[in-house]
Amino acid sequence: GQQLNQSPQSMFIQEGEDVSMNCTSSSIFNTWLWYKQDPGEGPVLLIALYKAGELTSNGRLTAQFGITRKDSFLNISASIPSDVGIYFCAGLTWSGGGADGLTFGKGTHLIIQP
Amino acid sequence: NAGVTQTPKFQVLKTGQSMTLQCAQDMNHEYMSWYRQDPGMGLRLIHYSVGAGITDQGEVPNGYNVSRSTTEDFPLRLLSAAPSQTSVYFCASSYLTGGATEAFFGQGTRLTVV
Repeated sequence: GQQLNQSPQSMFIQEGEDVSMNCTSSSIFNTWLWYKQDPGEGPVLLIALYKAGELTSNGRLTAQFGITRKDSFLNISASIPSDVGIYFCAGLTWSGGGADGLTFGKGTHLIIQP
Repeated sequence: NAGVTQTPKFQVLKTGQSMTLQCAQDMNHEYMSWYRQDPGMGLRLIHYSVGAGITDQGEVPNGYNVSRSTTEDFPLRLLSAAPSQTSVYFCASSYLTGGATEAFFGQGTRLTVV
């Protein structure tokens, strides 16, 4: 099956620092999605990317869909305490009559030290 | 404004027992799916459905059954629970139109099999 390699696994940063995480794959994806999960909750969508090369921002978050369609990165600028959580990348492919389901990375655990 | 609703939130089963995890969405989404989340593994797709009457297997379907009799509901059945099925289960739904495939997740069901 398809696999996504997400890195880093965890990050310990100071409040106010910028954060960068990425996902790579040996497979091509049609869509890249970035999710955040807080403890005890389901993942919440942050950014969706649909075209190779696309760069999209959502407040302090910026994500890009790699030109090769095999990678994506997420940047968070000027981190704040509520950014703490686990961030997941997810890739989606289409075949035949519909989507084959999301393939998730294993997550980046962001910890912010005040 | 319910979105995706999962019940129950917590469940403890004995090995060999059966149960159904419920998932309902009120957004008229065609696509629904079930994932399990284990520590360090990210989310893995169990089963998915692209519409009422249509289901298909994901990455880890063994031990689980699904059906989709209505657009709104997508229950997940454990036929004979095993300790390896101890996990957090998430249901998700999304539209299938074009590239608009952002998945919305429920809050999860925490299942322990003893």
